[in-house]
Amino acid sequence: NAGVTQTPKFQVLKTGQSMTLQCAQDMNHEYMSWYRQDPGMGLRLIHYSVGAGITDQGEVPNGYNVSRSTTEDFPLRLLSAAPSQTSVYFCASSPRTVNTEAFFGQGTRLTVV
Amino acid sequence: KNQVEQSPQSLIILEGKNCTLQCNYTVSPFSNLRWYKQDTGRGPVSLTIMTFSENTKSNGRYTATLDADTKQSSLHITASQLSDSASYICVVSAGRGSTLGRLYFGRGTQLTVWP
Repeated sequence: NAGVTQTPKFQVLKTGQSMTLQCAQDMNHEYMSWYRQDPGMGLRLIHYSVGAGITDQGEVPNGYNVSRSTTEDFPLRLLSAAPSQTSVYFCASSPRTVNTEAFFGQGTRLTVV
Repeated sequence: KNQVEQSPQSLIILEGKNCTLQCNYTVSPFSNLRWYKQDTGRGPVSLTIMTFSENTKSNGRYTATLDADTKQSSLHITASQLSDSASYICVVSAGRGSTLGRLYFGRGTQLTVWP
């Protein structure tokens, strides 16, 4: 069972570069979301999607774009990387019903220099 | 404002001892409360999930309690093991409308178990 798969696991970018973090799930979950985790802070929601074709902003959306063309995939795009975006990024998925489990990917550690 | 606060921020205990971690929340409307374990360099993994009507749930040596009236939860770890060293995160799920399914995270309690 693949669950939630994130790629890459590690990435170093130069300031101003763009890139896409990939997230895929094989559980047919409607709800997918992206979080960033910084030292001493809880996971913060960047963007989320409640189904294919529907996305919305979370707490810290600036500098990031998302799209949801299929149920399975939810890529996160950094438009012009900044050192403040150095963080660990997690993708999660769950059925869009209450009291169900959320599954997390293994994370992508991004460093912007 | 929807918030989840955890205490203590960090905790060191000796192997075999018990400990209790605390979580207070203000998320409304409430759907459920979850405790996750996050090992260093890994994604969070669920330990327990409790709904409004549940006040205790166990998963092996982990026992979570929920007081929905006071909006408090605790996670009790019995007979700690070295492998329990991790960050324990309290997560509250919103329960209605546009926020249905949205998760609110605490900052976690970093537990270290020493031999």
